[in-house]
Amino acid sequence: EPEVTQTPSHQVTQMGQEVILRCVPISNHLYFYWYRQILGQKVEFLVSFYNNEISEKSEIFDDQFSVERPDGSNFTLKIRSTKLEDSAMYFCASKTEGNTEAFFGQGTRLTVV
Amino acid sequence: ELKVEQNPLFLSMQEGKNYTIYCNYSTTSDRLYWYRQDPGKSLESLFVLLSNGAVKQEGRLMASLDTKARLSTLHITAAVHDLSATYFCAPQRDDKIIFGKGTRLHILP
Repeated sequence: EPEVTQTPSHQVTQMGQEVILRCVPISNHLYFYWYRQILGQKVEFLVSFYNNEISEKSEIFDDQFSVERPDGSNFTLKIRSTKLEDSAMYFCASKTEGNTEAFFGQGTRLTVV
Repeated sequence: ELKVEQNPLFLSMQEGKNYTIYCNYSTTSDRLYWYRQDPGKSLESLFVLLSNGAVKQEGRLMASLDTKARLSTLHITAAVHDLSATYFCAPQRDDKIIFGKGTRLHILP
């Protein structure tokens, strides 16, 4: 069964460093998402991406964040200068066009020290 | 803007009891998901509900959807300790999924 894969599963980084989280969406999917979950809290929408551009972003998704689809398979989330409060689980999701189901990856746990 | 309210946020119950988690959402949605999450783990998809009156069951869990009331429920029958986890509802509208705050379910042996 096709699935969304995320790498790495866990990343530790020093405050102020740049970090790139990677996602491989399901191959025929066109909509891509990043969500964030701070430990013990709700899953928060960060950004959606369609047709090679951001279709919507939340207020959390500030200038420190960017997304990219560098090739036909990967979808990345970059945090330019990490802060302690960026420590969270980051989930990628994808779906096809129209009223269809979205599928989530297993998540990347980011720890900023 | 789609807003989601789940209640209760925390539920401690004894094994063998029945209980229901409620999920209210503010605007029409295209579908609604229920997820389970164990501490420190990923989201496990439990149910996807598409239409008004939809009911799905898997083991001791049953989910339903009332689109007119903008309400979904997750009913637990004869709870067992293995069901201890956090449960999230997440309606989807206009290609965007918004999560509720989650219900932390603790089942006492």
